[in-house]
Amino acid sequence: GAGVSQSPRYKVAKRGQDVALRCDPISGHVSLFWYQQALGQGPEFLTYFQNEAQLDKSGLPSDRFFAERPEGSVSTLKIQRTQQEDSAVYLCASSWETGEETQYFGPGTRLLVL
Amino acid sequence: AQKITQTQPGMFVQEKEAVTLDCTYDTSDPSYGLFWYKQPSSGEMIFLIYQGSYDQQNATEGRYSLNFQKARKSANLVISASQLGDSAMYFCAMREEGFQKLVFGTGTRLLVSP
Repeated sequence: GAGVSQSPRYKVAKRGQDVALRCDPISGHVSLFWYQQALGQGPEFLTYFQNEAQLDKSGLPSDRFFAERPEGSVSTLKIQRTQQEDSAVYLCASSWETGEETQYFGPGTRLLVL
Repeated sequence: AQKITQTQPGMFVQEKEAVTLDCTYDTSDPSYGLFWYKQPSSGEMIFLIYQGSYDQQNATEGRYSLNFQKARKSANLVISASQLGDSAMYFCAMREEGFQKLVFGTGTRLLVSP
């Protein structure tokens, strides 16, 4: 496919469980972003990668959140010991290179923590 | 600090009419970019239009145009000849020079009626 893909599309977790969310960026895109979108809100920045380097993780809400992109392509966002307040849509976006203006978004993963 | 304000939680328009969605922003950086994204119920953020702070002309993309008033710090989206498929959430976003992340507003829900 030509676009950003994310999996799973929906995830239900019991409080305290660990979850892993996957993002496949557009092939060749250097920059990758994770955003969190709470119900009725705009997306909020979590973290940013340039290739495999995580250059900005200022938006990660706690040390329970961890992201990686080991080979500079696919990225995984991991949430440990999930809490109810982690329920949100997690959006991944990618762009060609640093400074490229347009970020292209995936369909998101909707996480519900019970 | 970057801030985006969208004061219209919801807008209604009849098919074939034009509609303006408001966006104001706050930044002390002279170099920045402004974006509009559309988010249908499926959840994916679809890029619509971009305006750079140094662009002399207002951006246009098909039925979308951006009414950029730099002194007022506003970047309103104008959709001409509305279509039923335009019903969605619309988000205004900004990226400051030197930062990769997008900062989003809270969005405006547009409903287009027949």
